[in-house]
Amino acid sequence: EPEVTQTPSHQVTQMGQEVILRCVPISNHLYFYWYRQILGQKVEFLVSFYNNEISEKSEIFDDQFSVERPDGSNFTLKIRSTKLEDSAMYFCASRGDRTNTEAFFGQGTRLTVV
Amino acid sequence: QKEVEQDPGPLSVPEGAIVSLNCTYSNSAFQYFMWYRQYSRKGPELLMYTYSSGNKEDGRFTAQVDKSSKYISLFIRDSQPSDSATYLCAINQAGTALIFGKGTTLSVSS
Repeated sequence: EPEVTQTPSHQVTQMGQEVILRCVPISNHLYFYWYRQILGQKVEFLVSFYNNEISEKSEIFDDQFSVERPDGSNFTLKIRSTKLEDSAMYFCASRGDRTNTEAFFGQGTRLTVV
Repeated sequence: QKEVEQDPGPLSVPEGAIVSLNCTYSNSAFQYFMWYRQYSRKGPELLMYTYSSGNKEDGRFTAQVDKSSKYISLFIRDSQPSDSATYLCAINQAGTALIFGKGTTLSVSS
């Protein structure tokens, strides 16, 4: 069964460092997302990506965040200068098309900023 | 008013019980309604997906949508210890990001 794959599963980084979280969405899906979940809180939308550009972003997705689809399979989230409050689970999701709205999530990357 | 409200629980039931999980939402433009199951420190797993009012059944799970009341439900029949998890409702309009409820933590004891 196709699935969304995320690496690494856990990343520890020092405050101020740059991190890149990687995702391989389900093949032939067209819409890609990043969400985050701070421990004990709800899953929050960060950004959506379609046709090689950002289609929607939340207030959380400020200038320190960027996304990229560097090739035909990977989808990355970069945090330029991490803060303690960036510590969270980061989930990548993908879905097939605009009418098929079911989104499938990866297992997440746990980011710990120290 | 928050867009999606969900009672976080926790909800504890004995094995075999019928479980009812609920969410309310504020925006009548929402069209798509999903339920996800999330185990601790894992990604949300899609359980049910519905569009418009009505019921949808899949095995022991039934999703119900009442758009007039802006109320959605997930029923779990014959609950099992393996159903112990956090259940998230998620709602959106076509082409927009999912908005999640806070999740209800369910514990099913054997």
